[in-house]
Amino acid sequence: DTGVSQNPRHKITKRGQNVTFRCDPISEHNRLYWYRQTLGQGPEFLTYFQNEAQLEKSRLLSDRFSAERPKGSFSTLEIQRTEQGDSAMYLCASSPGASGGDTQYFGPGTRLTVL
Amino acid sequence: RKEVEQDPGPFNVPEGATVAFNCTYSNSASQSFFWYRQDCRKEPKLLMSVYSSGNEDGRFTAQLNRASQYISLLIRDSKLSDSATYLCVVRSNDYKLSFGAGTTVTVRA
Repeated sequence: DTGVSQNPRHKITKRGQNVTFRCDPISEHNRLYWYRQTLGQGPEFLTYFQNEAQLEKSRLLSDRFSAERPKGSFSTLEIQRTEQGDSAMYLCASSPGASGGDTQYFGPGTRLTVL
Repeated sequence: RKEVEQDPGPFNVPEGATVAFNCTYSNSASQSFFWYRQDCRKEPKLLMSVYSSGNEDGRFTAQLNRASQYISLLIRDSKLSDSATYLCVVRSNDYKLSFGAGTTVTVRA
């Protein structure tokens, strides 16, 4: 399968714990995005990487959230001191960049439940 | 005001029927427009891009009205497999997608 992959698929944690999610984009896609989706809503943009550079962070991304893409390939999203309001589906997407039509392809998501 | 607004539905239609719905967007500088499909507890998948001249992809027809800032999707000859949530999506700059909350369509036998 050469699509976007995300791990873990599900995560249940207690309030106050730290969690980290991983996203592996489609090979050679230089753009990577993180979105968050809650029940009954569409995905909301969180952050965007062009290669290893994080070029935009939404104001939804509080100081407890940090994302990295150290080598311009996979990315991690860490949430520190989780709160119940962080419960959501975290979606990763990748795209080839403006020269490649730039369709965003989504991974299956990581569903986070904070107890 | 949300950047993209959609009628949430649900639209409950019999097989073979035609169903149409639309969305509105607030940013007149938006550059690109799409419909994504999302099945229950799955990731969104691109259904089709939407062009100013209107475009078809099989049973699906998309229209864009820039003056009124709305986008429509029409599904002809509905199939059971068309049951899903349809997300209206707008790209306001080089990379950021803004999603509507989705319109739920249920096709019944």
